[in-house]
Amino acid sequence: EPEVTQTPSHQVTQMGQEVILRCVPISNHLYFYWYRQILGQKVEFLVSFYNNEISEKSEIFDDQFSVERPDGSNFTLKIRSTKLEDSAMYFCASGRQGQGYTFGSGTRLTVV
Amino acid sequence: EDKVVQSPLSLVVHEGDTVTLNCSYEVTNFRSLLWYKQEKKAPTFLFMLTSSGIEKKSGRLSSILDKKELFSILNITATQTGDSAVYLCAPMDSNYQLIWGAGTKLIIKP
Repeated sequence: EPEVTQTPSHQVTQMGQEVILRCVPISNHLYFYWYRQILGQKVEFLVSFYNNEISEKSEIFDDQFSVERPDGSNFTLKIRSTKLEDSAMYFCASGRQGQGYTFGSGTRLTVV
Repeated sequence: EDKVVQSPLSLVVHEGDTVTLNCSYEVTNFRSLLWYKQEKKAPTFLFMLTSSGIEKKSGRLSSILDKKELFSILNITATQTGDSAVYLCAPMDSNYQLIWGAGTKLIIKP
């Protein structure tokens, strides 16, 4: 069964550093999303991406964050100048219009 | 502001029991409602409900949506220990954005 692949599975970074989280969505999906989940809390929407541009973003998704689709397969989330409170599980999801989204297994980001 | 309330917040039952998980929502420009199961990591898709009153089934799991009363239920019959997880309800709005509930933590005791 097709799956969404995320790398790395766990990343530890120092406060102030930049990180790039990578996702390979399912190949025939057109809608891409990033969500995050701080330990023990609700899943939070960050951003949606369609037709090579951001279609929607939450208040969390400020100038510290950016997304890119650098080639036909990868979908990346860049977090600049990381803070302790950015520590969370980051999930990538992809989907097609009118269907449920498939989530990747997530990247656990730990900022120290 | 969009709101999703799941109940109960947690539930402990014995193997073989039937459980019903509830989700009520207030979402502007509602499109559909999704149920996910979250064990250790990523939420796993269960159902997507768009029409009222039509039950969706997958094995021992079933779900139904009531768009008039703005709620959905997820039923699990003959529960097994592998059903232990957090079950998340997520209405989708017209921008295809999911609005997540806090989840129901289900624990199945052998």
